[in-house]
Amino acid sequence: NAGVTQTPKFRVLKTGQSMTLLCAQDMNHEYMYWYRQDPGMGLRLIHYSVGEGTTAKGEVPDGYNVSRLKKQNFLLGLESAAPSQTSVYFCASSWTVWQGNTEAFFGQGTRLTVV
Amino acid sequence: GQQLNQSPQSMFIQEGEDVSMNCTSSSIFNTWLWYKQDPGEGPVLLIALYKAGELTSNGRLTAQFGITRKDSFLNISASIPSDVGIYFCAGLRAGGTSYGKLTFGQGTILTVHP
Repeated sequence: NAGVTQTPKFRVLKTGQSMTLLCAQDMNHEYMYWYRQDPGMGLRLIHYSVGEGTTAKGEVPDGYNVSRLKKQNFLLGLESAAPSQTSVYFCASSWTVWQGNTEAFFGQGTRLTVV
Repeated sequence: GQQLNQSPQSMFIQEGEDVSMNCTSSSIFNTWLWYKQDPGEGPVLLIALYKAGELTSNGRLTAQFGITRKDSFLNISASIPSDVGIYFCAGLRAGGTSYGKLTFGQGTILTVHP
């Protein structure tokens, strides 16, 4: 059972470089999320999507872009990486609010270091 | 942005002790979720709560959805070393500008001494 899969698991970038993090889920979930986790800050929502073709800003969207061209995939892009974006990134997915069970299922995370 | 206030931030306990942690908010939530995160892993769901006043158990874990819908509690009984990790609460609101967004607490770091 794959669930939520994130690639890559680790990455080191130089300041100014760009990259895309891929999240794929095989549970037919409508909602997908990107979070970043920093020590003492918990999980902070970057962007989220309530369905294919839709995206919305979360708490900390600056410096990131997202796309949801296919229902099962949610991409997080960093156009010009900065050291402040060094973090662990988690993708999650869930059913819609109106389908009852709204638990979010998480991927294993991507550890990104920007030097 | 809206954050849940989770406490305590960390706990150091002896094996066999009971543990309590809670989350509070100034806003009303429709769903409360409790997650555990092991080192190097993503959060894993422990308990989901959908109704005010609901009390749900999962083995040694018990969680409650506060009657005011602004808080939730998680208790772990008879702790064991594998309970070590970070515990997160998360809330979901179904309406307004927060539609569909899960909001997380800052996490409680639990350390269990054998």
